[in-house]
Amino acid sequence: AQSVTQPDIHITVSEGASLELRCNYSYGATPYLFWYVQSPGQGLQLLLKYFSGDTLVQGIKGFEAEFKRSQSSFNLRKPSVHWSDAAEYFCAVVPAGIKAAGNKLTFGGGTRVLVKP
Amino acid sequence: EAGVTQFPSHSVIEKGQTVTLRCDPISGHDNLYWYRRVMGKEIKFLLHFVKESKQDESGMPNNRFLAERTGGTYSTLKVQPAELEDSGVYFCASSQERATDTQYFGPGTRLTVL
Repeated sequence: AQSVTQPDIHITVSEGASLELRCNYSYGATPYLFWYVQSPGQGLQLLLKYFSGDTLVQGIKGFEAEFKRSQSSFNLRKPSVHWSDAAEYFCAVVPAGIKAAGNKLTFGGGTRVLVKP
Repeated sequence: EAGVTQFPSHSVIEKGQTVTLRCDPISGHDNLYWYRRVMGKEIKFLLHFVKESKQDESGMPNNRFLAERTGGTYSTLKVQPAELEDSGVYFCASSQERATDTQYFGPGTRLTVL
């Protein structure tokens, strides 16, 4: 069955430390890949997305993600975390190659990030 | 430019009552999606409109849920009658034409059924 897995439900990191959030997918072909963030009281905001090409993708707020086909992974990273990065992060996919206009996102369970001062 | 807006932000109702959630997409976005997150679970797709037509409603849990998008603008999601398991956060998103276009999400409506 097609699925998206975020193995870590919670991660606590010190301010200034690096952060890596894991995402694995199980699909027949490489899907389109997304990372969203939800800060308290806010909607989901797109951090970055990957469709093809360079496997290292730069996003907003200093985040980047690396696509690894061999591992079916799309992990999100930030070199130095700020207190404002405390939020919930979601990995999501859309099956590639669909010609219909738009398509539904399938989400992982989310990872909640706590930032210690 | 205004983002996706949703109303109300919170709703608390009794089991058996009716609730209507509203979503206003970004102007010009033909695609409108509804998603739901039940407590402790992942965000799940409910349905997808292209303009006023339902493109995919495979995620609608049952016939107590009715979604409409009159004139291809705003959308409503009605739950009638509400059950306890309907509690959760309902998100709306909109996008332009292609599958690769970003879906922009609203802040969500938190529904609590008592």
